Amino acid sequence: EPEVTQTPSHQVTQMGQEVILRCVPISNHLYFYWYRQILGQKVEFLVSFYNNEISEKSEIFDDQFSVERPDGSNFTLKIRSTKLEDSAMYFCASTRSNEKLFFGSGTQLSVL
Amino acid sequence: RKEVEQDPGPFNVPEGATVAFNCTYSNSASQSFFWYRQDCRKEPKLLMSVYSSGNEDGRFTAQLNRASQYISLLIRDSKLSDSATYLCVVNHGQNFVFGPGTRLSVLP
Repeated sequence: EPEVTQTPSHQVTQMGQEVILRCVPISNHLYFYWYRQILGQKVEFLVSFYNNEISEKSEIFDDQFSVERPDGSNFTLKIRSTKLEDSAMYFCASTRSNEKLFFGSGTQLSVL
Repeated sequence: RKEVEQDPGPFNVPEGATVAFNCTYSNSASQSFFWYRQDCRKEPKLLMSVYSSGNEDGRFTAQLNRASQYISLLIRDSKLSDSATYLCVVNHGQNFVFGPGTRLSVLP
């Protein structure tokens, strides 16, 4: 069964550093998403991406964040100048027809 | 008002019990509705879509009331393996909005 894959599974970084979280969505999917979940809290929408551009973003997704689809398979989330409060699980998700969101297993980001 | 609200939980029930979760959403333009389950420190996984006519999948029954902007999930004959957090998810446009989740613990 096709699945969304995310790398790395864990990322530890120093405050102020840049991190890139990587995702390979399911191959025939058209809509891509990043969500984050701070420990013990709800799943929060960050950004959606369709047709090679951002279609919607939340208040969380400020200038510190950017997304890119550099080729036909990868979908990346870049976080510049990380802060302690960026520590969270980051989930990538994709869907073919804007129904039934499929998630990757997440990247646990720890900012020290 | 929050976009998607759920019973705060947690629900602690014995094996074999029937349990119901409630969810309300604020955006009347919402188009599609889902229940996901999330195990501790894992990704959310789709449990079932929710259709206007109501739908059933084995021990799970979901219902939608668009007029009241209300969604429910009923789990019959609870199993230990049903222990998880249940997430109500609402889609409008290209944004899937998650509720805070209701935690269920099924006890032996």
